[in-house]
Amino acid sequence: GAVVSQHPSRVICKSGTSVKIECRSLDFQATTMFWYRQFPKQSLMLMATSNEGSKATYEQGVEKDKFLINHASLTLSTLTVTSAHPEDSSFYICSASIALSQETQYFGPGTRLLVL
Amino acid sequence: GESVGLHLPTLSVQEGDNSIINCAYSNSASDYFIWYKQESGKGPQFIIDIRSNMDKRQGQRVTVLLNKTVKHLSLQIAATQPGDSAVYFCAEMYFGNEKLTFGTGTRLTIIP
Repeated sequence: GAVVSQHPSRVICKSGTSVKIECRSLDFQATTMFWYRQFPKQSLMLMATSNEGSKATYEQGVEKDKFLINHASLTLSTLTVTSAHPEDSSFYICSASIALSQETQYFGPGTRLLVL
Repeated sequence: GESVGLHLPTLSVQEGDNSIINCAYSNSASDYFIWYKQESGKGPQFIIDIRSNMDKRQGQRVTVLLNKTVKHLSLQIAATQPGDSAVYFCAEMYFGNEKLTFGTGTRLTIIP
């Protein structure tokens, strides 16, 4: 149980285009979802926290207009990288938690984004 | 700001030997700690966790030790196997703030 999926697993796009990444909790309802970014050989950095039906809370230094997060249902959150540039190339990972066990985060497999 | 860091960025261990991966944390308010394993191109995989009211917890082939006095966390892997090769991250959280703060990571390489 507690499986989180991400789609796509990898994406290549041209500079200036927008890319949408989906994060789904497959067998549970996720009250909170988190989005992380990981550069090569570095750690995971939290970008934002989203709760179903409300606006995401962004970490300091993360542009909310560039990284649009939508958490429209208890099983789906999306991250849209708008007007992507090569420096946005990274590994994006989502996680999800359940209301009664908020300390436990279930991680997705990640999405590799390459912006040309 | 608060941070979680690791002493050793890389660690090579002979197959069959025990591995010890260390982590230092700076937020004294943290009360929950987790070790994750991350293989190349994949998301983090939960290994073991420990709450601040404990100093040791054992799982299958893994043991986590917590020393709150010196804010130190370690992961011991017994009889390491080739499949243990990965990057290991410690992460910390304090209840009331559900955000995880990850350490810098240690790459564990198993030598056949």
